[in-house]
This record gives sequence, C-alpha cells and structure tokens, in this order.
Amino acid sequence: DAGVTQSPTHLIKTRGQHVTLRCSPISGHKSVSWYQQVLGQGPQFIFQYYEKEERGRGNFPDRFSARQFPNYSSELNVNALLLGDSALYLCASSLDAGYGYTFGSGTRLTVV
Amino acid sequence: EDQVTQSPEALRLQEGESSSLNCSYTVSGLRGLFWYRQDPGKGPEFLFTLYSAGEEKEKERLKATLTKKESFLHITAPKPEDSATYLCAVEETSGSRLTFGEGTQLTVNP
Repeated sequence: DAGVTQSPTHLIKTRGQHVTLRCSPISGHKSVSWYQQVLGQGPQFIFQYYEKEERGRGNFPDRFSARQFPNYSSELNVNALLLGDSALYLCASSLDAGYGYTFGSGTRLTVV
Repeated sequence: EDQVTQSPEALRLQEGESSSLNCSYTVSGLRGLFWYRQDPGKGPEFLFTLYSAGEEKEKERLKATLTKKESFLHITAPKPEDSATYLCAVEETSGSRLTFGEGTQLTVNP
C-alpha cells in the first residue's frame, strides 16, 4: 500500500511569491492535516480537513490556506512568502480523529 | 491550551546503555498520546498510541508508558540505528489536531 505522498520534495521560492504544496492520503483515509516544522522544533498544526470540510485551523496568518478535493487529496497554499516560512511542511492522513495519524516525508520549502 | 514538554532535549548513550525519555503534558481531556520517531529530513514515523493512564506498549527495544501527567519512552539496550529524534504529541478529546513537544534528539554511539 502506498503511504502518504507529498509533492514536491524540495522547493526554493523568493520572498513575496506564492507556493502550492500537494498531498495524497493513504487510500481510504478521509482526513488530511498539515503541519509546519521549523528546524530543531516540533511540528506545528496548520489545518485539518475531513470530508472536504475544514475541521481545524492553527495559529497561522491568512496567507496560509488549504483545501481538500473529492478524492481526499489536499493542497496547502501560502501567499506572499516570508523568509520565516522556510520549513518542512508535513501532511498527515487518518481515517478520522482518534485513529492515529500517518505522516508523509514532507516538502522542504526554502524562501530566499 | 495544550502543552507538551519533552526532556532531555538531547541524549547521548553508549550502545547497550538503557535510558528513558520524558514527555510531560497538559490537556483538558486526553484522546490519545502519540510517540513518533523522526530521522533527519524525513517525516515522523509512528511508534505508539496510549489512551489511558496505566497503559503500556512495547515494540522491540522500546516501551512506552502513560500516567495522568506524563509519558515515558524507555529504551532498553539501544543500538546505533535507534539514533533519531523522538517526538511526543497529544490529541485532546474535543480537538482535531496533534500538539507536539520539541523532541528529544537521541544519539547512540557504538
């Protein structure tokens, strides 16, 4: 079985640009969550989607947005990139809350 | 607000030298406490979920325990391949997110 798939694996963007990160969950999983992990820190929650509805939002500015598609894949969008947005962006899929979360390998975003 | 504190920040062991990692947490209602292993540049790899105080789970050289205030990850006779960052996270009953600690970076020397 394929695990959680994220693309791209690495990305370099310039300040002020826009970026879209993509995630395909494990087959049968209807929930997708996004986390930001700055080097040396634990992951920080950004969003959770379940059945295409936003279920939770972390303490991130409105520059961050996400959506989930009918096939349960998801996109994370970040506008007006700042240097501080440089991080590993992780996607996690689960059947539902309380069933455990499986993480992808992440997208390493570098903003220069 | 949920809080998770892990200690120590870093731990260096000799191969075969057993030790424990600590995770202290504050949460209004615990749905589950999770332990993950993370290798450099990779996503977290699931190890255990604990749901109630007194619960214990084991996997190879690892054993996780849970009380009402903290969890321990015991590592028995570690090997160099156990070197990684170990992350603890909690999910509360009313929430839909994991709150992570900062992690413990474990290095096991041969």
